[in-house]
Amino acid sequence: ETGVTQTPRHLVMGMTNKKSLKCEQHLGHNAMYWYKQSAKKPLELMFVYNFKEQTENNSVPSRFSPECPNSSHLFLHLHTLQPEDSALYLCASSQEQGWTNYGYTFGSGTRLTVV
Amino acid sequence: DAKTTQPTSMDCAEGRAANLPCNHSTISGNEYVYWYRQIHSQGPQYIIHGLKNNETNEMASLIITEDRKSSTLILPHATLRDTAVYYCIVRVEGKLIFGQGTTLQVKP
Repeated sequence: ETGVTQTPRHLVMGMTNKKSLKCEQHLGHNAMYWYKQSAKKPLELMFVYNFKEQTENNSVPSRFSPECPNSSHLFLHLHTLQPEDSALYLCASSQEQGWTNYGYTFGSGTRLTVV
Repeated sequence: DAKTTQPTSMDCAEGRAANLPCNHSTISGNEYVYWYRQIHSQGPQYIIHGLKNNETNEMASLIITEDRKSSTLILPHATLRDTAVYYCIVRVEGKLIFGQGTTLQVKP
């Protein structure tokens, strides 16, 4: 247990479904991140939130919709996904975006399969 | 883009030291070097970070060259459980951008 909890651990969804991924941290961190890791590829940064405000969207398709209601919770809402969206989705948190003395704490990820 | 380069893969005998190199020739003076590892299909795990001095913790040691253009992560006594992908990262605009990393295979 790292302090960042992601649910569900595994998700299978059809291309017409709507689902949400949840990330929760109680580390007192103020920045949260979504990463995507496709098979045999490096982690790709998708979204960054700092003090609940979105500060970065790395050209992510609109079928991925993040939500950060407070500094402890981060959601990724999914709708009309494609099979190529199948991947491991990782959430991370840090003290603040740009904080240099500490790294990120990652969750264990949600393994998403789109059928 | 990641600001570091690492060998794609390395092998290490169990019980021996694993030395993982990383080049970061464009690093700026106030940028830290971070090391993470990812065991198959899990979230990356923080190992160590440093600015200019060598660092040691319970997991590993980090040796940074005087010009800061390269560093080496040392696992002093590798075990089979250290088999993982190891990432050397320099923060880019306040964000951790991952490269391909080095796949370390610890062999009995």
